[in-house]
Amino acid sequence: SQQGEEDPQALSIQEGENATMNCSYKTSINNLQWYRQNSGRGLVHLILIRSNEREKHSGRLRVTLDTSKKSSSLLITASRAADTASYFCATNAGGTSYGKLTFGQGTILTVHP
Amino acid sequence: DADVTQTPRNRITKTGKRIMLECSQTKGHDRMYWYRQDPGLGLRLIYYSFDVKDINKGEISDGYSVSRQAQAKFSLSLESAIPNQTALYFCATSDRLARSYNEQFFGPGTRLTVL
Repeated sequence: SQQGEEDPQALSIQEGENATMNCSYKTSINNLQWYRQNSGRGLVHLILIRSNEREKHSGRLRVTLDTSKKSSSLLITASRAADTASYFCATNAGGTSYGKLTFGQGTILTVHP
Repeated sequence: DADVTQTPRNRITKTGKRIMLECSQTKGHDRMYWYRQDPGLGLRLIYYSFDVKDINKGEISDGYSVSRQAQAKFSLSLESAIPNQTALYFCATSDRLARSYNEQFFGPGTRLTVL
């Protein structure tokens, strides 16, 4: 079963706007990661946030984590057409699951020029 | 990521055939993973290996087997392919000793079609 549930399933915005994607999960985690996938290609790691962190930034990316609500959000600011891709959250439960990731279904982001 | 390669990139096969997908990495990572991706779904873990002698079933291992021939090579086999194994297959690696040891690096994928 999927650990992460992502919302929305698809998002369409204009270049320059901000894009926000949300991820909810069910069990406790050690960390949560976001990956990007261009159409039909391999996933690329974007950012990792640990369970004891609440917010993290990387360039135009901002990730928040609320462990009490078991949710995370990914914000892409000042989006570009090149940001068009699918975005996946992935959780690591730690413990005996250390190293394993469980992926959500993803959000398809389309940025119109 | 060019450091993780998968062969073949595309494969069409028939029901009942045995097929092997291969993954090689030059990153020196100890951990390797096989996932499948179906349209509209995220990635689901098939098998993973934390070192050459450690192989574990993932979420959806039925109908699949793996072999870790060396630290750099991890193969996925479908002993008798069936149409619902049609999917995009990804290999990934991670490094237990890296600071960001949970980050996984993905190959370009193999698109498998079973007729």
